[in-house]
Amino acid sequence: DTGVSQNPRHKITKRGQNVTFRCDPISEHNRLYWYRQTLGQGPEFLTYFQNEAQLEKSRLLSDRFSAERPKGSFSTLEIQRTEQGDSAMYLCASSFYLGANYEQYFGPGTRLTVT
Amino acid sequence: KQEVTQIPAALSVPEGENLVLNCSFTDSAIYNLQWFRQDPGKGLTSLLLIQSSQREQTSGRLNASLDKSSGRSTLYIAASQPGDSATYLCAVWRNTNAGKSTFGDGTTLTVKP
Repeated sequence: DTGVSQNPRHKITKRGQNVTFRCDPISEHNRLYWYRQTLGQGPEFLTYFQNEAQLEKSRLLSDRFSAERPKGSFSTLEIQRTEQGDSAMYLCASSFYLGANYEQYFGPGTRLTVT
Repeated sequence: KQEVTQIPAALSVPEGENLVLNCSFTDSAIYNLQWFRQDPGKGLTSLLLIQSSQREQTSGRLNASLDKSSGRSTLYIAASQPGDSATYLCAVWRNTNAGKSTFGDGTTLTVKP
């Protein structure tokens, strides 16, 4: 297994454009998480899926953000009408949720710059 | 609302020194606590996971302890090396279905040769 992958690694877009990021988790992992991280801060939870079900969404996630995991495998995070404040690193993580012992494994992230 | 604090924000030590990084959380009803390492511009690498029923975990030169009653965890790094230079983050999961997590802002460690 090659770990969690994210594409693209970098994205530069103009304010008002829509962007979509993709995350491919570790294949046997049933949970997938999205986070946003700005410079000097820890990751902020955005949302997570168990299989294809989106179980929780942060209040930080405005209506411009949407995430999907249609077949319980890869996931996409879309941001509509981007704003400069959306500039951040978007991180994806996956885990196998069964009982108490699990670990989150992170991808390399997608760095978004909104100009 | 869970809050996670990591102090100090930055730490510089000479190579070979043993050191302790601190993580405190306000709500002791946590599910698990995980320590991560992050290199500049990169994703997070898992170091140690401590379940709420455990008190410590060890991996190589790293030892993490958890005291839920006092809302504290420590990460002990023995015989530090320049390659240990990175930002160290802790995260806690609520005592429910372990979905949403709360991260601290990290401690940036510099180990000088």
